[in-house]
Amino acid sequence: NAGVTQTPKFQVLKTGQSMTLQCAQDMNHNSMYWYRQDPGMGLRLIYYSASEGTTDKGEVPNGYNVSRLNKREFSLRLESAAPSQTSVYFCASIIQGMNNQPQHFGDGTRLSIL
Amino acid sequence: QKEVEQNSGPLSVPEGAIASLNCTYSDRGSQSFFWYRQYSGKSPELIMFIYSNGDKEDGRFTAQLNKASQYVSLLIRDSQPSDSATYLCAVNIRRGSYIPTFGRGTSLIVHP
Repeated sequence: NAGVTQTPKFQVLKTGQSMTLQCAQDMNHNSMYWYRQDPGMGLRLIYYSASEGTTDKGEVPNGYNVSRLNKREFSLRLESAAPSQTSVYFCASIIQGMNNQPQHFGDGTRLSIL
Repeated sequence: QKEVEQNSGPLSVPEGAIASLNCTYSDRGSQSFFWYRQYSGKSPELIMFIYSNGDKEDGRFTAQLNKASQYVSLLIRDSQPSDSATYLCAVNIRRGSYIPTFGRGTSLIVHP
């Protein structure tokens, strides 16, 4: 039982390049989230998917797109990477009943944009 | 005003002391409150959650919730150097549905 798996773990991009961060969970969770974490900023929500087939913007969605491919997978895409998107990205999931369940986190993707 | 506020610290306590971490939130309708611990370079891990007013104890950890005053706190008794980490407060804030919203985290340093 792997929990929440993120790939890649590290990535360096040049400004303007695109890439997709992958996230998969094997816990049959309904809701999935993408956060970014910058020094001193806590976790900021980029996008979330309350259930398969739905996605919604979070606090900092600009410059990102997401796809809820199926119940297991939720990907985050940077179409044209910018240095301001250098961050650590975490994917998380919740089983259901969003109001009372803690999140399970992946190990994170460390992304540097030059 | 941020929806979830924490003092960024660092909070420095000696080994064996009680560490007290505080968090305030803006949404009076919030029902669920979580404390996560995050070691440097690692992902957050859940250590406590609380839904009802009052105290909830789990080993050396006690979460305290006061909905009238809109704050939640975490007490760590008999602090150990291994407790040194950043502690993140998370509150489910209403934005249509309830969305987990994090504070900026408090850095705790337990020195021998």
